[in-house]
Amino acid sequence: EPEVTQTPSHQVTQMGQEVILRCVPISNHLYFYWYRQILGQKVEFLVSFYNNEISEKSEIFDDQFSVERPDGSNFTLKIRSTKLEDSAMYFCASSGNREGGIYGYTFGSGTRLTVV
Amino acid sequence: KQEVTQIPAALSVPEGENLVLNCSFTDSAIYNLQWFRQDPGKGLTSLLLIQSSQREQTSGRLNASLDKSSGRSTLYIAASQPGDSATYLCAVILTGGGNKLTFGTGTQLKVEL
Repeated sequence: EPEVTQTPSHQVTQMGQEVILRCVPISNHLYFYWYRQILGQKVEFLVSFYNNEISEKSEIFDDQFSVERPDGSNFTLKIRSTKLEDSAMYFCASSGNREGGIYGYTFGSGTRLTVV
Repeated sequence: KQEVTQIPAALSVPEGENLVLNCSFTDSAIYNLQWFRQDPGKGLTSLLLIQSSQREQTSGRLNASLDKSSGRSTLYIAASQPGDSATYLCAVILTGGGNKLTFGTGTQLKVEL
């Protein structure tokens, strides 16, 4: 069964440093997403990406965040200057079409980011 | 703004028991609803997807129902097993509201031997 792959599984970084989280979505999917989950809290939407541009973003996704699809397979989330409150599990997801389609979303296993 | 709530927050049952997890949402104009399973420190595994035009979906011991008019969905787990222990999340997509998922608060399930 196709999977969404995320690397690394864990990342520890110092406050103020830049981090890049990487994802390989399912190859024939068209929509890509980043979500995050702060420990003990709900999973929150960050951004959706389609046709090489952001289609929707939440108020969490400020100027410190950016996404990119640098080639035909990877999808990255960059945090320019990390803050302590960015510590969370970050999930990448993809879907075949808008609104999850008939097959829904597929999520990756997540990257646990710890900012110290 | 769509709010999704799950009750109970935590549930502990003996092995073999049938159980029901509840999910409610405030805006009934949903496109679909998806149930996920999350193991501690792990990712989200999709369990069932219900389109807005459907009333229920079944997969093995799992059955999910949807009542849009009342803003509710239930996940029924038959003959529970210790391996079912996890957090169960429901999430909805609004019709015409973009394609983001709005997640519920989750129900943490423990099935004991």
